[in-house]
Amino acid sequence: DAKTTQPNSMESNEEEPVHLPCNHSTISGTDYIHWYRQLPSQGPEYVIHGLTSNVNNRMASLAIAEDRKSSTLILHRATLRDAAVYYCILMNRDDKIIFGKGTRLHILP
Amino acid sequence: DAGVTQSPTHLIKTRGQQVTLRCSPKSGHDTVSWYQQALGQGPQFIFQYYEEEERQRGNFPDRFSGHQFPNYSSELNVNALLLGDSALYLCASSYDGLAGTSTDTQYFGPGTRLTVL
Repeated sequence: DAKTTQPNSMESNEEEPVHLPCNHSTISGTDYIHWYRQLPSQGPEYVIHGLTSNVNNRMASLAIAEDRKSSTLILHRATLRDAAVYYCILMNRDDKIIFGKGTRLHILP
Repeated sequence: DAGVTQSPTHLIKTRGQQVTLRCSPKSGHDTVSWYQQALGQGPQFIFQYYEEEERQRGNFPDRFSGHQFPNYSSELNVNALLLGDSALYLCASSYDGLAGTSTDTQYFGPGTRLTVL
């Protein structure tokens, strides 16, 4: 079973920020939080990852709760090209990688 | 940089046949993971290869086997195909210079769509 919980789907308007939540209440100290997204008819694409501190890159920001039991992927200004399934995954050196069903993000023009 | 490449793009087989899928990792990567993705589901981890050995394995039967070559490319073999094996098969590569399961960024290929009739 996946170690993360995400909403099945979300909607957002184009050019507005999007906050995608992920719960991982059983996270261990060695688990990294990774986000991937999968556009239609493509393989998953890396978005961002972090361990304890918030992270920013050109695609998105990752906000990690202080107790690390939840995180939020932030797309600062959604475009139609951001419509995809977003996966939140916990990764460490001892466990195999488990994807959940992810959140299907719909962007409204 | 070509990124991760997979072949073939699409494949149609019949029940009971055997299939081999191929993956070339991103340049500089030494670890290859394989995933099965059924329609509407997230990718399911099959196994991971590092230094030509299977390092981690998901809950898949022995009909699923793999191989990694000295140039880090990899093959996924599935024997005695079942209708339920119809899926998108994804290969992902990463770099892990240390022993143990990689936590580094995984780069995925476009996948091979397998249809079993």
